[in-house]
Amino acid sequence: EVQLVESGGGLVQPGGSLRLSCAASGFTFRSYWMHWVRQVPGKGLVWVSSMDSDGSDTRYADSVKGRFTISRDNAKNTVYLQMNSLRAEDTAVYYCARGGSYLQDAIHMWGQGTMVTVSS
Amino acid sequence: QSALTQPASVSGSPGQSITISCTGTSSDVGGYNYVSWYQQHPGKAPKLMIYEVSNRPSGVSNRFSGSKSGNTASLTISGLQAEDEADYYCSSYTRSRTAVFGEGTKLTVL
Repeated sequence: EVQLVESGGGLVQPGGSLRLSCAASGFTFRSYWMHWVRQVPGKGLVWVSSMDSDGSDTRYADSVKGRFTISRDNAKNTVYLQMNSLRAEDTAVYYCARGGSYLQDAIHMWGQGTMVTVSS
Repeated sequence: QSALTQPASVSGSPGQSITISCTGTSSDVGGYNYVSWYQQHPGKAPKLMIYEVSNRPSGVSNRFSGSKSGNTASLTISGLQAEDEADYYCSSYTRSRTAVFGEGTKLTVL
């Protein structure tokens, strides 16, 4: 089955860290750009970060630059999002998503999302 | 990067057609033919409906169509059906080599 399954969400205190994982299956993971997109419940989608197929090119939204790090392990078909110095405004559902062969390609597949809550 | 501008809500009766606009700048929507549209039902993950301005992925109804003029992209849904009621988001590639989403539009089928 073609799917993306996120894990690692939860409750964390402001200033804390969390690492999200996204396990891919059913497609050739190493061929695609991978993305993280977040959504505050009841609000819109916000692009967070992207990584190319071999991990050599990364992009970040200004709001997370310097705090979040995207990485991937093509041997494990998994993409990660390391989130440090977390703030209340990072509270959201985080979606892992599969792009195409190029950064500008649309997102053709989404995970089910994992909730991150930053609160004391 | 500011979100692309979409109307907060649109509505239509079954069988009618509606259009949702998505306005950006020459640095995103107007500069590239990499505009996509996503449908999201409550509590669900988004689903790709249109990519590269006007292309439909396999399995998406031909009632959905996309277009672009200048800095504004549009999604048209014809023959509205109850199951089309959802939130719709546009997205564009940007000159900064990032992506930006629209604010989202809630479609109500009356």
